[in-house]
Amino acid sequence: QKEVEQNSGPLSVPEGAIASLNCTYSDRGSQSFFWYRQYSGKSPELIMFIYSNGDKEDGRFTAQLNKASQYVSLLIRDSQPSDSATYLCAVTDAGGTSYGKLTFGQGTILTVHP
Amino acid sequence: DAGITQSPRHKVTETGTPVTLRCHQTENHRYMYWYRQDPGHGLRLIHYSYGVKDTDKGEVSDGYSVSRSKTEDFLLTLESATSSQTSVYFCAISESRLARTNEQFFGPGTRLTVL
Repeated sequence: QKEVEQNSGPLSVPEGAIASLNCTYSDRGSQSFFWYRQYSGKSPELIMFIYSNGDKEDGRFTAQLNKASQYVSLLIRDSQPSDSATYLCAVTDAGGTSYGKLTFGQGTILTVHP
Repeated sequence: DAGITQSPRHKVTETGTPVTLRCHQTENHRYMYWYRQDPGHGLRLIHYSYGVKDTDKGEVSDGYSVSRSKTEDFLLTLESATSSQTSVYFCAISESRLARTNEQFFGPGTRLTVL
């Protein structure tokens, strides 16, 4: 059973701070890693993906991947109240017949307070 | 927004009745997925499709069946609804199965309550 675990929340940070969201995965063959944001009552939307070791930056968001440690993280710099949401980590199945299936973590609720 | 609609958006039904949820896409994407979302469990894959009439089971498929007779429609059927199937159901689509490019786009969700 493939597992994806996210740091337990909820996570609360003050406006302007860095929010750090973490995710570990069990399948060493996993190839790509996604971070989705989900506002309350809404559907998930993709904010970042990464497949190479190291950092990937997009605006205030940085995804970090360490395949040796089976660890992926999302940093949100200069956090804003509008970043308050549930963040879902997702991992692709390894293998050529995976048909793009994703395994999701349980999500971390982030609250950014003014 | 990706062109994905789900119907109905809300449904209340009774235990033992069959229920069908519909996912419709206008993106002509090959891959379609049904997930359920419950508190503390994130999103769990129920069934997926990799082409017309090509479907397979996901992580939590017991009690569910699917059909895909056209590229744009993916139906999820609860054969005999139970209270444990009360959940929010999301449909997702993707145009690629390649791990590095598989971005999934989600529909608005269907909130199902089984009494």
